[in-house]
Amino acid sequence: GENVEQHPSTLSVQEGDSAVIKCTYSDSASNYFPWYKQELGKRPQLIIDIRSNVGEKKDQRIAVTLNKTAKHFSLHITETQPEDSAVYFCAARRGSARQLTFGSGTQLTVLP
Amino acid sequence: DSGVTQTPKHLITATGQRVTLRCSPRSGDLSVYWYQQSLDQGLQFLIQYYNGEERAKGNILERFSAQQFPDLHSELNLSSLELGDSALYFCASSVMESYGYTFGSGTRLTVV
Repeated sequence: GENVEQHPSTLSVQEGDSAVIKCTYSDSASNYFPWYKQELGKRPQLIIDIRSNVGEKKDQRIAVTLNKTAKHFSLHITETQPEDSAVYFCAARRGSARQLTFGSGTQLTVLP
Repeated sequence: DSGVTQTPKHLITATGQRVTLRCSPRSGDLSVYWYQQSLDQGLQFLIQYYNGEERAKGNILERFSAQQFPDLHSELNLSSLELGDSALYFCASSVMESYGYTFGSGTRLTVV
């Protein structure tokens, strides 16, 4: 089955700096890559997603890039703010699979 | 409010007992997914239903079972509970299997 590795497990940045979280996937047939943000004690929320026919997608301060050849994708957050502090999960899904396989999560802390 | 409703929010029970967790998907969503999130762990896929039929199974223990009813709500049954079953159990729904999920707020199960 699909395996998704996520790095780093923890990340601290100063407010206003950029943060980058990287994920690699094992199955070259994977074609859908969402990112979720989970605040403490709350549900994971979809913040951005990308499909395999697109190399990059942006939404205000958030962007995701996909490198199909290397089988990795990254989340970029610019101009970080304290409210960006949360656990971020990447995920991947093969076209033939029905469920998402999640990475192990990154605890992002934005220091004021 | 995500539109995915999970009840109860909290559940405390003793080892060896049986509990039922309930999930109502967003209106119009046909797929329901169950995930387990243990302390400091990622999201582990348990099982998925689509329009009443089981469609995918993950690392779900034999002591656990689930079903989706004609009104599309789903129940996850956990029996012969052990201390290690203590976790957050999330339900998620999607309109189609190729789309991202919307998560419910989860049920926090504590086995004592």
